[in-house]
Amino acid sequence: GAVVSQHPSRVICKSGTSVKIECRSLDFQATTMFWYRQFPKQSLMLMATSNEGSKATYEQGVEKDKFLINHASLTLSTLTVTSAHPEDSSFYICSARGFMLGDTEAFFGQGTRLTVV
Amino acid sequence: QKEVEQNSGPLSVPEGAIASLNCTYSDRGSQSFFWYRQYSGKSPELIMSIYSNGDKEDGRFTAQLNKASQYVSLLIRDSQPSDSATYLCASGSGAGSYQLTFGKGTKLSVIP
Repeated sequence: GAVVSQHPSRVICKSGTSVKIECRSLDFQATTMFWYRQFPKQSLMLMATSNEGSKATYEQGVEKDKFLINHASLTLSTLTVTSAHPEDSSFYICSARGFMLGDTEAFFGQGTRLTVV
Repeated sequence: QKEVEQNSGPLSVPEGAIASLNCTYSDRGSQSFFWYRQYSGKSPELIMSIYSNGDKEDGRFTAQLNKASQYVSLLIRDSQPSDSATYLCASGSGAGSYQLTFGKGTKLSVIP
């Protein structure tokens, strides 16, 4: 399958600081990337959908000013958690799909475990 | 509100047995369905995809889809301890952006 690389895999930050998470498609052009959040023993919750070169579409209840998404190229999307608080501690996962992958499959990055102290 | 429902388990089966995982979905407009395996602390890994009614087999895995009943299942034959994980069912819909709605997952334990 296609490779989606997410970095960093783990990050610990202080409350009030910002954290940037990168998601890269290594062997295909990702026209659409998705950002999910997963709390312990919960399912993946879609936060936002980003299309290259346009503004991200956020799911209801997700603060777009807090979770900044940039999809500036066909191989890179970033999620910045601004002014992080302990309740933002979670597992953040990106997924990507693109023309080369066909119509349906989306592949996941390795995930980022964010801990805000 | 699109929903995907799964029994959270845990589902315990002995090694070598068949594990049966079930899922229902609410959105009749869903066009494709996926089973992902997720080990603790890791991101999901695609196991099977299915788009039309009936069965789809891939190795030890068989996915079944019944759109009339809005029901998807995954059978794992000859279960191995390495199959122990949480299995997420997802439905896909939405032209263009293709969003997935995930169930909460079923935790499977294969007992040696």
